[in-house]
Formats: sequence, C-alpha cells, structure tokens
Amino acid sequence: EAEVAQSPRYKITEKSQAVAFWCDPISGHATLYWYRQILGQGPELLVQFQDESVVDDSQLPKDRFSAERLKGVDSTLKIQPAELGDSAMYLCASSRAGNSGEAFFGQGTRLTVV
Amino acid sequence: SQQGEEDPQALSIQEGENATMNCSYKTSINNLQWYRQNSGRGLVHLILIRSNEREKHSGRLRVTLDTSKKSSSLLITASRAADTASYFCATDALDSNYQLIWGAGTKLIIKP
Repeated sequence: EAEVAQSPRYKITEKSQAVAFWCDPISGHATLYWYRQILGQGPELLVQFQDESVVDDSQLPKDRFSAERLKGVDSTLKIQPAELGDSAMYLCASSRAGNSGEAFFGQGTRLTVV
Repeated sequence: SQQGEEDPQALSIQEGENATMNCSYKTSINNLQWYRQNSGRGLVHLILIRSNEREKHSGRLRVTLDTSKKSSSLLITASRAADTASYFCATDALDSNYQLIWGAGTKLIIKP
C-alpha cells in the first residue's frame, strides 16, 4: 500500500542551527501539505503545494521557514535558524489533485530544539 | 486558523461502551472528515461525509452531519482498547483551495 514517506522521524537540534525535513508523497498526488502540530493541538497548515506551485503559505513564518517542491514530487521544509518554540511534530500529507477528499499522512518528524 | 472545535476535549470510557465525539465548525463546507491519531504518529483517515449527506457508516463508526447547525458527531460503537487515540475533525471550506481546517481534537481513552 502506498504511503507518504517522511524523514527523519526524530530530530534534535540546537537553537540557531538549521534543520531540514523531507517528504515524498504518494505517487500521482498533486497536492502536498506541510503541517505543524504542537502536543495536544490539531495540525496547523504551514504550506500547501499544488504540483510545484505554492497555493497557500500564509501561516509559514517566512523569516525562518522555507519550503520547496521543485519538480512537483518530493518536498523539503527548512528552518533556519531554529528557535525553542519550533519544537513540534511536523507532518506531511498528500492528496489527489482537485479533490477535496482524503489526505494521506506520513508518520511525521518530531523536532526538539534545545 | 482552526475552524473545527471538538468536544469533549477528553473522554474516558470502559471497553465495550459507545463513544460519541462532536465537532462544530464556522463556515460552509464541501465536506467534513474525521481522522484518528495514535500517540506520536501521523493521522489516519476514518471517514468523509459530504455536505449533502446526513449520515454515514463505516464498520463500527457512524458519522452524522447537520449543516444547519454546522456540527457533526462521530460515534464509535462497542469500543476497544485499540480505539484509544485522539480524534480530529477537518473541514474543507467552500472556495478554500482544498485546504483542510482542523479542530483541536478529542482524546479518547478506552479502559480495559
């Protein structure tokens, strides 16, 4: 069964360092989402791609966060510099194009900034 | 921003009992979805109900949708220990570019 792949599963980094997360969506899924989830809360959308284009990045802290999906397939989310408040679960999800239906999630990356 | 609000925030019941969770939202929607999240894991899709549907079943799950009240409920019948998880509703608002808006979730604990 096809899955959304994310790496790494866990990341510990010191504040002010750079950190990057990778996501490979399900083949053929044009829509890709990056979410941040703080413990005890629901996912918060950071950025949404349709193919290689950004559809929504209004909640992305652009002074330190960047995201790209150059060939419209896999995607990278970067934080530079990391801050203590960035500690959270970072989730990637994908769905079929033009379909307000089921989103498939990866296992997430648990980031701890120390 | 979070559109959905689940209640209760936490629910603890005995195995075998039924669990009911509610979700309220603010704007008109295309559909509403329920997801489950086990501790420290990604979210898993449970069921989707479209705005023109009122009730949907999937195994032990029953979802209702009342668009006039902007609310939905998720019923899990004959609960099992493996149902222990957090449950989230997500709405796909009209004209939202298929963006899902999430609630804060209900933490369900099934006691053996």
